[in-house]
Amino acid sequence: DTAVSQTPKYLVTQMGNDKSIKCEQNLGHDTMYWYKQDSKKFLKIMFSYNNKELIINETVPNRFSPKSPDKAHLNLHINSLELGDSAVYFCASSQGPMSPLHFGNGTRLTVT
Amino acid sequence: QKEVEQNSGPLSVPEGAIASLNCTYSDRGSQSFFWYRQYSGKSPELIMSIYSNGDKEDGRFTAQLNKASQYVSLLIRDSQPSDSATYLCAALYSGGGADGLTFGKGTHLIIQP
Repeated sequence: DTAVSQTPKYLVTQMGNDKSIKCEQNLGHDTMYWYKQDSKKFLKIMFSYNNKELIINETVPNRFSPKSPDKAHLNLHINSLELGDSAVYFCASSQGPMSPLHFGNGTRLTVT
Repeated sequence: QKEVEQNSGPLSVPEGAIASLNCTYSDRGSQSFFWYRQYSGKSPELIMSIYSNGDKEDGRFTAQLNKASQYVSLLIRDSQPSDSATYLCAALYSGGGADGLTFGKGTHLIIQP
C-alpha cells in the first residue's frame, strides 16, 4: 500500500547508456514531480506534471525526458548518461501546486 | 531567483534540550512553507507546514513564520536522538502558474545522548 513507489531503487550504468526510472502513486493526486538530490543533498525540482500536462520544465538537459501515461504515473527517461547525472532522483506527488509533497523512496543513479 | 537559505550545520544539541532551526527565503511572493525531515539514505518526510504569520504547534514541533522578515523557523522541544537528521526548509511561490517547492540545502541536526 505504498503511496509513491519508484523503481529501481539502485541503478548503476555506464556513460552513454540510456535508462528509465518509473514512478507510480496511489494517492489520487493530480500533480507529480521529479526532483534531483545531488551529493551535497541539495534537492532541486526537474519536472512537474499536472494531470498529464507538463507545467514546469526547469533548465535540465534535454537528455532528460519525462513521460506521463496517466495521472498516476510519471516516468523519467535519460539518454546518453553522463558522470554528472549521478545523484538520487526522487519522484513526488501532491494534491495540487499549493500542497505538500509526498516523496517516493528515491532512485540512486550511479554513472561510471 | 527564488532561494531558500539554511545553515548547513551540523547543529549539535543535547538530548532533552530545544533544537532551533532557521531558514530565510528570498521571494516575498512565497506563501506556503514546509519543513521536511530526511534521515540518511531515506526520502524527505513532511514535518510541518505553515501558511500564515505566527506560530503553529504540533506535538514537540513548533513552526514559526515571519513574512515581514522572510524568516521561517522550526523548534523541536525535548529533543530525542531519533530527531537526528537533516531538516529541509521549503518555500512555495504561488505567483502564477504551478511552481514546485524551492528547498534549502538543509541543516544537519545531531542530538547528543
